[in-house]
Amino acid sequence: SQTIHQWPATLVQPVGSPLSLECTVEGTSNPNLYWYRQAAGRGLQLLFYSVGIGQISSEVPQNLSASRPQDRQFILSSKKLLLSDSGFYLCAWSVGQSTGELFFGEGSRLTVL
Amino acid sequence: EDQVTQSPEALRLQEGESSSLNCSYTVSGLRGLFWYRQDPGKGPEFLFTLYSAGEEKEKERLKATLTKKESFLHITAPKPEDSATYLCAVRSGGSNYKLTFGKGTLLTVNP
Repeated sequence: SQTIHQWPATLVQPVGSPLSLECTVEGTSNPNLYWYRQAAGRGLQLLFYSVGIGQISSEVPQNLSASRPQDRQFILSSKKLLLSDSGFYLCAWSVGQSTGELFFGEGSRLTVL
Repeated sequence: EDQVTQSPEALRLQEGESSSLNCSYTVSGLRGLFWYRQDPGKGPEFLFTLYSAGEEKEKERLKATLTKKESFLHITAPKPEDSATYLCAVRSGGSNYKLTFGKGTLLTVNP
């Protein structure tokens, strides 16, 4: 069966520090991968999606970046965190294109102080 | 721009008290409406996909329906374990990958 792992689960970072969140998917090949952010009082916001290794599309201009070094690995990064980067970050995968059935990870709670 | 509005923001029910959650949407060419369940501190879990007006899907005590402007998630005789935030999302013809989510309805079922 397919599983998705996301880490770390919780982190507290000072403003201006770097960030790296990792996500891996097991049990499937060539998944579509997504990074979403869920901020307090707001709906889930798509940040990045990837349809293959090295292929990244950004939905929202920001100081975050994403990379896909391997087929089932997706990384969210920042060089310098802002207060506004605080939130609940969720990695997700789907099979094929044009599908709304996403499988989410457990999430990473980021607090920027 | 696609928009999704869910109501109410929060709903408190007694066990066995049936009710409905609403999801109204504005999209250019609906390519699917999706319901998810999210437990506190967890990632959302997929429930249903609806594609066209008049379509219905059921799963245990949940039934999702779709019209041209809104979707309802009907909860029949809920149990405390149905307590969660229910999210609605749409995909439009303008994007193959992007889902636009509502803010969700926090459902609490008291025993």
